[in-house]
Amino acid sequence: ETGVTQTPRHLVMGMTNKKSLKCEQHLGHNAMYWYKQSAKKPLELMFVYNFKEQTENNSVPSRFSPECPNSSHLFLHLHTLQPEDSALYLCASSQDPLRGTEAFFGQGTRLTVV
Amino acid sequence: KNQVEQSPQSLIILEGKNCTLQCNYTVSPFSNLRWYKQDTGRGPVSLTIMTFSENTKSNGRYTATLDADTKQSSLHITASQLSDSASYICVVSAYGNNRLAFGKGNQVVVIP
Repeated sequence: ETGVTQTPRHLVMGMTNKKSLKCEQHLGHNAMYWYKQSAKKPLELMFVYNFKEQTENNSVPSRFSPECPNSSHLFLHLHTLQPEDSALYLCASSQDPLRGTEAFFGQGTRLTVV
Repeated sequence: KNQVEQSPQSLIILEGKNCTLQCNYTVSPFSNLRWYKQDTGRGPVSLTIMTFSENTKSNGRYTATLDADTKQSSLHITASQLSDSASYICVVSAYGNNRLAFGKGNQVVVIP
């Protein structure tokens, strides 16, 4: 257990569906992240939140909509996804994003878009 | 071009044998380098973290080295076990921002 919990672990959705991924961290960290991991590619940073404020959007399509109600919770709302969006979505948290402190990852949500 | 390159891409080793994974990076200014282990379908878990002044760090049967001059790191696995089968990801952090540069990972398969 890394202290970062993601739900659901697996999700299959149609292209017209709307679903949400949830991430919760119990580490008292200030920063939370969403990453996308596709097969045979490095992890791709999607969004960064620091003290609940979005500090980075790495040119992510609008069909992915993040929400950070507080420093412990992070959501990723999904709508009208494409099959190429199928991937492992990882949430992470860290204490201080500006100092490159260690990131702790959740177990990930394996998303399949059909 | 990716800022972190790992080799070999994949590796099959016999249980009990040793292996070494390589990581070359171009990230600058350098803050720290971490090796993560990622089991299939799971999130990455940190093995070691090294800063500029550290050359070697061990975590059980895992030993990481860092040469900040040549911008190279290695991860040595001693007496491999079946549970070592995983992807090992090299992650380099630049000082002063929240960017982590990820390698594609070394896929290690340990066979009996």
